[in-house]
Amino acid sequence: KAGVTQTPRYLIKTRGQQVTLSCSPISGHRSVSWYQQTPGQGLQFLFEYFSETQRNKGNFPGRFSGRQFSNSRSEMNVSTLELGDSALYLCASIEPNTGELFFGEGSRLTVL
Amino acid sequence: AQRVTQPEKLLSVFKGAPVELKCNYSYSGSPELFWYVQYSRQRLQLLLRHISRESIKGFTADLNKGETSFHLKKPFAQEEDSAMYYCALSVLTDSWGKLQFGAGTQVVVTP
Repeated sequence: KAGVTQTPRYLIKTRGQQVTLSCSPISGHRSVSWYQQTPGQGLQFLFEYFSETQRNKGNFPGRFSGRQFSNSRSEMNVSTLELGDSALYLCASIEPNTGELFFGEGSRLTVL
Repeated sequence: AQRVTQPEKLLSVFKGAPVELKCNYSYSGSPELFWYVQYSRQRLQLLLRHISRESIKGFTADLNKGETSFHLKKPFAQEEDSAMYYCALSVLTDSWGKLQFGAGTQVVVTP
């Protein structure tokens, strides 16, 4: 079974730009969660989607948004990038029977 | 709000010695607790969860509601146990995707 795929793996943006990150979950998994990982704040929950609906949202500003498509693939968008948005963004696909999170390798965003 | 505390940033142990990673949480309800692990150059993955009460790779963790702790233990550490370990808490029974993670403990097992 293919694992969670995140694209792009690395990207560099400048302040004020926007970015879109993509996540393809494991086949059969309908829930996807996003996390931001930084050295200072650790792993922080961004949002969770199930069947194209946002189920939960973390404490992040409105510049952070996401969506899920009918094939369960998900995207997250960050607008008006700030230096502090530099982080590893992790997507997790959720096994429906056990609730186990399967993580992708992440998208490493650098904001200059 | 719920909180997960892992007091040790780094734990260095010798091969064959016992290892215990501490995790304390604050939550007034009934939490679900997990240990996730990240080995070098690998993805973050589930190690164990308290409701399954399993021993995985020789590790066990007991939920102590009185002390609000979920410490991870292994009697004899192996070099392959060197990794980053995260304690995590879920409070929404209908939503497994929202986890509160601790800061993590880096374990280094030396021969």
